[in-house]
Amino acid sequence: GAGVSQSPSNKVTEKGKDVELRCDPISGHTALYWYRQSLGQGLEFLIYFQGNSAPDKSGLPSDRFSAERTGGSVSTLTIQRTQQEDSAVYLCASSFSGGSTGELFFGEGSRLTVL
Amino acid sequence: AQSVTQLDSHVSVSEGTPVLLRCNYSSSYSPSLFWYVQHPNKGLQLLLKYTSAATLVKGINGFEAEFKKSETSFHLTKPSAHMSDAAEYFCVVSDRRIGLHSTLTFGKGTMLLVSP
Repeated sequence: GAGVSQSPSNKVTEKGKDVELRCDPISGHTALYWYRQSLGQGLEFLIYFQGNSAPDKSGLPSDRFSAERTGGSVSTLTIQRTQQEDSAVYLCASSFSGGSTGELFFGEGSRLTVL
Repeated sequence: AQSVTQLDSHVSVSEGTPVLLRCNYSSSYSPSLFWYVQHPNKGLQLLLKYTSAATLVKGINGFEAEFKKSETSFHLTKPSAHMSDAAEYFCVVSDRRIGLHSTLTFGKGTMLLVSP
């Protein structure tokens, strides 16, 4: 497709389960970001991938969170042993040049609800 | 360090009246500034950006913003609101000194409500 694609769009899970969220960026975009959006909290940076460089993981809130990007394209965000405070919308964005021009292209997000 | 403050969590206007969404920023270096819009259950979309060229920036859908360094502000305006403008708006600052990996700092958002 033409835009950033995320799946699933909605995920309900039980506390303690692991979840995987997928992001398919725009073809040719070298940079990929994950953000977390909680009600009234704006967007929280989680992790950034740029080409073959080591990812910037400085925003990951705990070691239960991890992400990988295979072949410089699709990315998976994994949350292990989910907690209720992990409930949020997880947004993926991609760009040509690491966001230096500021234009990130966002997917519609994956809404995670942890019961 | 950089930060951005959106002064209003909600703004309500009537259709056809002007819109003003306020944003103040803090940055150690010359910043780039952006406004993004998010419609319900959608991703964020870039409205406009300032990257050191003209201080008055025009964006999509009739929105514009003026970079005022002396006031450290980047307020978003539109002369006449339309019902379709109802959405959440995010002001974003980027420290251009960092280079390719621009750390984008998002404000907490302003929800624009438009009544008929």
